[in-house]
Amino acid sequence: EPEVTQTPSHQVTQMGQEVILRCVPISNHLYFYWYRQILGQKVEFLVSFYNNEISEKSEIFDDQFSVERPDGSNFTLKIRSTKLEDSAMYFCASQSVPQETQYFGPGTRLLVL
Amino acid sequence: AQSVTQLDSQVPVFEEAPVELRCNYSSSVSVYLFWYVQYPNQGLQLLLKYLSGSTLVKGINGFEAEFNKSQTSFHLRKPSVHISDTAEYFCAVRRNSGGYQKVTFGTGTKLQVIP
Repeated sequence: EPEVTQTPSHQVTQMGQEVILRCVPISNHLYFYWYRQILGQKVEFLVSFYNNEISEKSEIFDDQFSVERPDGSNFTLKIRSTKLEDSAMYFCASQSVPQETQYFGPGTRLLVL
Repeated sequence: AQSVTQLDSQVPVFEEAPVELRCNYSSSVSVYLFWYVQYPNQGLQLLLKYLSGSTLVKGINGFEAEFNKSQTSFHLRKPSVHISDTAEYFCAVRRNSGGYQKVTFGTGTKLQVIP
């Protein structure tokens, strides 16, 4: 069964460094999302991406964040200058058509020191 | 905007006993409803979903949920739990119109199955 994959599974970085989290959505999907889950808290929406542009973003998704679909398969989340509070599990999700379910990847656990 | 309330943060239950995890939602528009499960140190796995039709939906691992529009609830049930059901369960909603609709999650319920 097709699935969303994410790399790396874990990343440790120093505050102020740039990180890029990578996702490979399910191949025929058109809608892409990033969510995050701070330890012990609920999963929060960050951004949705469709037709090569951001369709919606949350207030968390400030200028330090960006997303890109550089080729036909990858979907990336970049954090330009990480802060301690960016430490979280980041989930990528993809969806085929409007009526369908979003399928989540296994997540990348980011730790900012 | 939508919101999801899971009143029980933790639910301990003995093995082979039944369990119900409660979920209530609020939305001014029609929504799709989901339950996701997160096993320790793993990602989110879709347990079941309600899109339309029958209000009783069955999911994986013997779980089922019933959509109650008048009570705006979508409680998750299992008649007999196993140790392997120990996990965190998230109720979630999404608008059912438009393509790129974000999923709004509840705060989660940790199910602890006691041997």
